[in-house]
Amino acid sequence: KNEVEQSPQNLTAQEGEFITINCSYSVGISALHWLQQHPGGGIVSLFMLSSGKKKHGRLIATINIQEKHSSLHITASHPRDSAVYICAVTAYSGAGSYQLTFGKGTKLSVIP
Amino acid sequence: DAGITQSPRHKVTETGTPVTLRCHQTENHRYMYWYRQDPGHGLRLIHYSYGVKDTDKGEVSDGYSVSRSKTEDFLLTLESATSSQTSVYFCAISLGSGNTIYFGEGSWLTVV
Repeated sequence: KNEVEQSPQNLTAQEGEFITINCSYSVGISALHWLQQHPGGGIVSLFMLSSGKKKHGRLIATINIQEKHSSLHITASHPRDSAVYICAVTAYSGAGSYQLTFGKGTKLSVIP
Repeated sequence: DAGITQSPRHKVTETGTPVTLRCHQTENHRYMYWYRQDPGHGLRLIHYSYGVKDTDKGEVSDGYSVSRSKTEDFLLTLESATSSQTSVYFCAISLGSGNTIYFGEGSWLTVV
C-alpha cells in the first residue's frame, strides 16, 4: 500500500510570499496529482505529473521519481490561494486496475 | 468542467435505514471512484470501478456496497446506515492511470 505524506499540514503566509508544499510517497507510481479544495467546496485538479515540471500561472509542480518526492510552489501568493492542497498518487493495484492514494492535505491560509 | 454529478447533494437519514448515493458521468470515463472525506483522515477510498460490472474494494469498504450496471452510473449503497458513516462523499472519474481526475461536488450525508 502506498503511503503519501504531505508537509506541512498547516501553512500561514503573508500575501506575496513564495510557498512550497511537499509530498512524498513510498512506492512506485504511474502519476502524481495535485488537487485544490476550497472551504466547503469541491475538489479541482491542478496538475497531473509523471515526470519533470509543469507550470500554470503562478503555480509550479515538480516531481523527482527517483526520490519519490513532489513539490507544489505558489509564487506571489494571494488570499484567494487559501485552500487545502492535496497530493494524490496513482499506482497499479493488480488485475489491470489502478488506485489513487491521497495525502491528508495541507491547509494554506494567505493573509492580506 | 467534467460532466459529473452526484445525487443527492445533501441528505439526513436515520440509523438503520438504507441509503443510495448516485454518481453520474457524461464523459465515458472507465474509472469511477467513491471516497469519503473526514476531518483528520483526508480522502479515503471506499470502492472503485474499472469498467461495467468490474468493481473492487478500497480501504474503508465495510458497510458499503457498489454497483455499476452501465458506464455512466456508479451507485454507492449503505445497506444500514450508522452514525459513523456521517461524512462527505465524493465521486471521481478518470480515463486511466495517467489521466486527470475529475471530482463531483460532494454529497453531505448525516446519519442521526
